[in-house]
Amino acid sequence: EIVMTQSPATLSVSPGERAALSCRASQSVRSKLAWYQQKPGQAPRLLIYGASTRATGIPARFSGSGSGTEFTLTISSLQSEDFAVYYCQQYEIWWTFGQGTKVEIK
Amino acid sequence: EVQLLESGGGLVQSGGSLRLSCTASGFTFSRYAITWVRQAPGKGLEWVSVISGSGASTYYTDSVEGRFTISKDNSRNTLYLQMNSLRAEDTAIYYCAKAVEMATIPSGLDYWGQGTLVTVSS
Repeated sequence: EIVMTQSPATLSVSPGERAALSCRASQSVRSKLAWYQQKPGQAPRLLIYGASTRATGIPARFSGSGSGTEFTLTISSLQSEDFAVYYCQQYEIWWTFGQGTKVEIK
Repeated sequence: EVQLLESGGGLVQSGGSLRLSCTASGFTFSRYAITWVRQAPGKGLEWVSVISGSGASTYYTDSVEGRFTISKDNSRNTLYLQMNSLRAEDTAIYYCAKAVEMATIPSGLDYWGQGTLVTVSS
């Protein structure tokens, strides 16, 4: 099983600041990497797939980068609605998710 | 507008059975794989099972293999998950989710239902 490790577990950021979330795979997943946002009581929402392709309707302030085993989700200027938990997911071999990074208001 | 709506969750005793349903609209149901993903209370996400668009191919994560059965009725745009021999560790919100890429397994998951809660009491 491919293990996905996200860091940090919690990220404290002020509105308007930039946030960078990291995700590491235990083996190469090429570009088969997605990012999701989840708010309390809601289903996950796809942000990025193919490591860097924004999903339909996702604002340009969200961007993804990386390939192989190291990936980054960057939120260029945090808005109030962006405070949530973010999960990375590999789909090179089935699916495994990271444990999540909580982005909270500083 | 793409929509997925799960139903069928509830409280069941250990060893019991439940059948979840996921009704889809807004896309060609027979062309996309659909995945069940679950989330235990306060925990992370775990994929459970996936079925191809045609329904000919099905796959399961190890912990549910032999106990859960995924199926679909393309004429009704409905996906099912029959869950037997339920255990306390199956307690979770169960989401159905559509593949972002047509005819591709595995794939990113671009639309999710709101989830249905399954609680297994021991």
